[in-house]
Amino acid sequence: AQTVTQSQPEMSVQEAETVTLSCTYDTSESDYYLFWYKQPPSRQMILVIRQEAYKQQNATENRFSVNFQKAAKSFSLKISDSQLGDAAMYFCVSTSGTYKYIFGTGTRLKVLA
Amino acid sequence: DTAVSQTPKYLVTQMGNDKSIKCEQNLGHDTMYWYKQDSKKFLKIMFSYNNKELIINETVPNRFSPKSPDKAHLNLHINSLELGDSAVYFCASSQDFRGHGYTFGSGTRLTVV
Repeated sequence: AQTVTQSQPEMSVQEAETVTLSCTYDTSESDYYLFWYKQPPSRQMILVIRQEAYKQQNATENRFSVNFQKAAKSFSLKISDSQLGDAAMYFCVSTSGTYKYIFGTGTRLKVLA
Repeated sequence: DTAVSQTPKYLVTQMGNDKSIKCEQNLGHDTMYWYKQDSKKFLKIMFSYNNKELIINETVPNRFSPKSPDKAHLNLHINSLELGDSAVYFCASSQDFRGHGYTFGSGTRLTVV
């Protein structure tokens, strides 16, 4: 069965510092997509960044970037210049087949002032 | 304009009751979903609909019945509510099943007492 594993239940980072959230996944598919979603206390799910598996280049969105290691099935999220507003639950997500996403268990990120 | 709107945002009800959650998207997306987020924040798919047709029913009890009157709406009706149904239910939509990512509604917190 397809799985997404986030081994860090909780992480802390000092404001303005950099933090990396880890994610590994397991898939037998050759064509798939990976995402990081953010869920702040407001409960809203927000797409942070997406990666197409067939693209070797790592995706970047402003302060957010990924380190995609396809052979290792690793997909980590780096947040640079952390801000108080980055505090949230972060979910690593993989597509699974045609109409389904598999979510990791989430990493709660705390940003310290 | 809210892209994916869910109503109600909060729902408190007694065991055994029947309740509905409504979802509407104004994005013109073809695919809509229901996900359940449990008390540990784990998100799991319940249903996927593509152009009003049920695509995925992820071993959800028969008490849960989705209805899609048109491709902009996907409602969730729950019969004979149980304590274990307490969770946050998210509606989402996507432009296609692949890598654009979902747009989520703000979630409905269902509490069964």
